[in-house]
Amino acid sequence: EVQLVESGGGLVQPGGSLRLSCAASGFTFSSYWMSWVRQAPGKGLEWVANIKQDGSEKYYVDSVKGRFTISRDNAKNSLYLQMNSLRAEDTAVYYCARDLSMDVWGKGTTVTVSS
Amino acid sequence: DVVMTQSPLSLPVTLGQPASISCRSSQSLVHSDGNTYLNWFQQRPGQSPRRLIYKVSNRDSGVPDRFSGSGSGTDFTLKISRVEAEDVGVYYCMQGTHWPLTFGGGTKVEIK
Repeated sequence: EVQLVESGGGLVQPGGSLRLSCAASGFTFSSYWMSWVRQAPGKGLEWVANIKQDGSEKYYVDSVKGRFTISRDNAKNSLYLQMNSLRAEDTAVYYCARDLSMDVWGKGTTVTVSS
Repeated sequence: DVVMTQSPLSLPVTLGQPASISCRSSQSLVHSDGNTYLNWFQQRPGQSPRRLIYKVSNRDSGVPDRFSGSGSGTDFTLKISRVEAEDVGVYYCMQGTHWPLTFGGGTKVEIK
């Protein structure tokens, strides 16, 4: 079964850091682009970042550039999102999704930025 | 950035009746490779999003055939031929042709 499981969310103070992980199973992870998408409470979906199969290309939404870093470890079938200098507006459920077309989604992990 | 505009914001529908959601993009979604990367997602209450349609009109595996996608260029539509109770939720269009990837604001489908 194709599966994505996010972890690493939690409560963090403004200016703090978190590292999200996404464990993939049931498919050849190294063959796919991977995506992070977030959803603020009561709001719509917002694409955050993408990474190419070999990690050679990465793209970010402007609001997280310079603060967030997407990475992957194909040997561990894992995707990561390092989030630094967190702001209240980064509060959201963070989903990982397979491929640029987002054909498979995880259940998400909640990040709350608050003092 | 490409702006994706969905309408209506809310769509009350009677069970068994059709429903239609519009999605318009601020620029053409035809990619230089000839494909149009317009996808539709369903998010049921309390669940993760699920892709229904990719590249305008291709239904994902397991998606009922009452769902269909159409359109071209900047104008796209998701249709549900006969709404069922399990179709309640928010529907999003998303373009994957231009960076940054962008979603529409969502259309909430509810039962009258």
